[in-house]
Amino acid sequence: EVQLVESGGGLVQPGGSLRLSCAASGFTFSSYWMHWVRQAPGKGLVWVSRINSDGSSTSYADSVKGRFTISRDNAKNTLYLQVNSLRAEDTAVYYCAREGGGVRGCDYWGQGTLVTVSS
Amino acid sequence: DIQMTQSPSSLSASVGDRVTITCRASQSISTYLNWYQQKPGKAPKLLIYAASSLQSGVPSRFSGSGSGTDFTLTISSLQPEDFVIYYCQQTYSTFTFGPGTKVDIK
Repeated sequence: EVQLVESGGGLVQPGGSLRLSCAASGFTFSSYWMHWVRQAPGKGLVWVSRINSDGSSTSYADSVKGRFTISRDNAKNTLYLQVNSLRAEDTAVYYCAREGGGVRGCDYWGQGTLVTVSS
Repeated sequence: DIQMTQSPSSLSASVGDRVTITCRASQSISTYLNWYQQKPGKAPKLLIYAASSLQSGVPSRFSGSGSGTDFTLTISSLQPEDFVIYYCQQTYSTFTFGPGTKVDIK
């Protein structure tokens, strides 16, 4: 069974940092591109970042470029999102998701981890 | 950047109704368009990929169509569990979600 389990969220002050993790199991993690998507309370989905299967290529939404860094450790079957210089508007549930391959969308999602940026 | 719009933003319908949600891209995205369903407090679920392909395990009452800039998600006969929020997503250039369409009970 495919499972994605996020962790690392919490309450952080503006300007602070966190590292989010997403532990993957039930599939060959190293074969799949992975994504982070966030959702502010009561709002819609916003794509954040994507990384290819071997970690050599990444892309980011303009709103997080230069502040967030996506990475992965295929030996540990884990996806990461380093979030720096946090702002109140970064408050959201952060989901990791597996890209199904080819033209498929994100076919498996974690349950999300909440990041709250507040003083 | 490619912008996505959805219409309507919300709709009211009854069990058994046929409903259609529209998604429009600000430029042509071929068929790089996916549809997701999100229930309250839950992660999104992929329904349709590549504009018209039904994700494994998704009921056949869901269907998608379109190409270029205009796309539709159709639910042929609404079931009680379908009264939730639907999002489109383009994957032609990075990724962008539409603002969502809430389907509620009339």
